[in-house]
Amino acid sequence: EIVMTQSPATLSVSPGERVTLSCRASQSVSSNLAWYQQKPGQAPRLLIYGVSTRATGIPARFNGSGSGTEFTLTISSLQSEDFAVYYCQQYDNWPLTFGGGTKVEIK
Amino acid sequence: QVQLQESGPGLVKPSETLSLTCAVSGYSITGGSYWGWIRQPPGKGLEWIGSMYHSGSTFYNPSLQSRVTISVDTSKKQFSLKLSSVTAADTAVYYCARQLGRYSGTYYVGWFDPWGQGILVTVSS
Repeated sequence: EIVMTQSPATLSVSPGERVTLSCRASQSVSSNLAWYQQKPGQAPRLLIYGVSTRATGIPARFNGSGSGTEFTLTISSLQSEDFAVYYCQQYDNWPLTFGGGTKVEIK
Repeated sequence: QVQLQESGPGLVKPSETLSLTCAVSGYSITGGSYWGWIRQPPGKGLEWIGSMYHSGSTFYNPSLQSRVTISVDTSKKQFSLKLSSVTAADTAVYYCARQLGRYSGTYYVGWFDPWGQGILVTVSS
């Protein structure tokens, strides 16, 4: 099973700041990586798949990059609605696995 | 647009079987996508349970495989999850979702979009 590790666990950020979230895979997942956003009491929402392809309706301030074992989700200018928990998920190999999440909170 | 809605009991007794249904609207359940179940224990992360195709092809997480059954009823436009011999560790919010992706060898792998709103299932006597 591929283990996905996200860091940091919590990130305290001010609105307008640039945010970088990290996701590391225990072995290469090629470009088979997705990112999700989850707000309290809500289901996860797909942000990005294929490392860098934004899902329908996702603002351009969300950008994904990386390959192999190291991946990054960057939010160029954090908006109030972006405070949430973010999860990465690999789909290179079975079983599908998720990272533990990074909580982006208001500083 | 595609919408999914979970339903089922919110309370299940230990050792019994958890049964949930996911109703799909706005998209044909036979439209070429896989359909999956994911769960999230309170305050914790996400765990993929399993996925299925309308033909009956299924893939389960090995950690749950011995207790999980996912099935589809195309006439009712819904798919279902059964998890047997539940314990308190199975207490979680259960989500259904459409899975998009590709085959990796004999397995289907991909991302999930969209998700249902989720249903909290508590295992307790």
